[in-house]
Amino acid sequence: TQLLEQSPQFLSIQEGENLTVYCNSSSVFSSLQWYRQEPGEGPVLLVTVVTGGEVKKLKRLTFQFGDARKDSSLHITAAQPGDTGLYLCKAGSQGNLIFGKGTKLSVKP
Amino acid sequence: DAGVTQSPTHLIKTRGQQVTLRCSPKSGHDTVSWYQQALGQGPQFIFQYYEEEERQRGNFPDRFSGHQFPNYSSELNVNALLLGDSALYLCASRTGTKTGYTFGSGTRLTVV
Repeated sequence: TQLLEQSPQFLSIQEGENLTVYCNSSSVFSSLQWYRQEPGEGPVLLVTVVTGGEVKKLKRLTFQFGDARKDSSLHITAAQPGDTGLYLCKAGSQGNLIFGKGTKLSVKP
Repeated sequence: DAGVTQSPTHLIKTRGQQVTLRCSPKSGHDTVSWYQQALGQGPQFIFQYYEEEERQRGNFPDRFSGHQFPNYSSELNVNALLLGDSALYLCASRTGTKTGYTFGSGTRLTVV
């Protein structure tokens, strides 16, 4: 069974701080996606990474796919209260679609 | 442009009953997947429909079944409800295999 492990599980920081969350697996994936989910809503796609070593930036968010395509990280610079939410990574190869359990981020003003 | 719409938004059922949840995919999308998300957990893949057929299935019992209609909309049916079926049920749609999914806001099912 392929598993995606996300860390940390919970993160509470002050506005303006930087943070990094991780998504790790022992399996190789053809692509990996990051989503953000707010309470009572469905996940919203942030980015898809497909190439080992790929780095994508979305404003203050930087996503990196590991060289071996087994892991990924999400770095947020100068976090804001609006970044609060559940950050989920999702991957799948050969049709086995799985989510990690997520990192619950709280950014306090 | 309407995204993925799900109905109902909330539902309360009694143990042993059957339930049907509905999903209309985003315009232009032809593939629909269903996920179950328990409180505090990530979504778990139930199954995926494409061209009116179940293409992939996660580790869920046969009590969970689905259907996709010619207009790409989909239903999720759960029979013989258990208390443990209480969760947020998410529908997601996409087109092709390389794009990410667009999720609906979900149906919150409570089994009492």
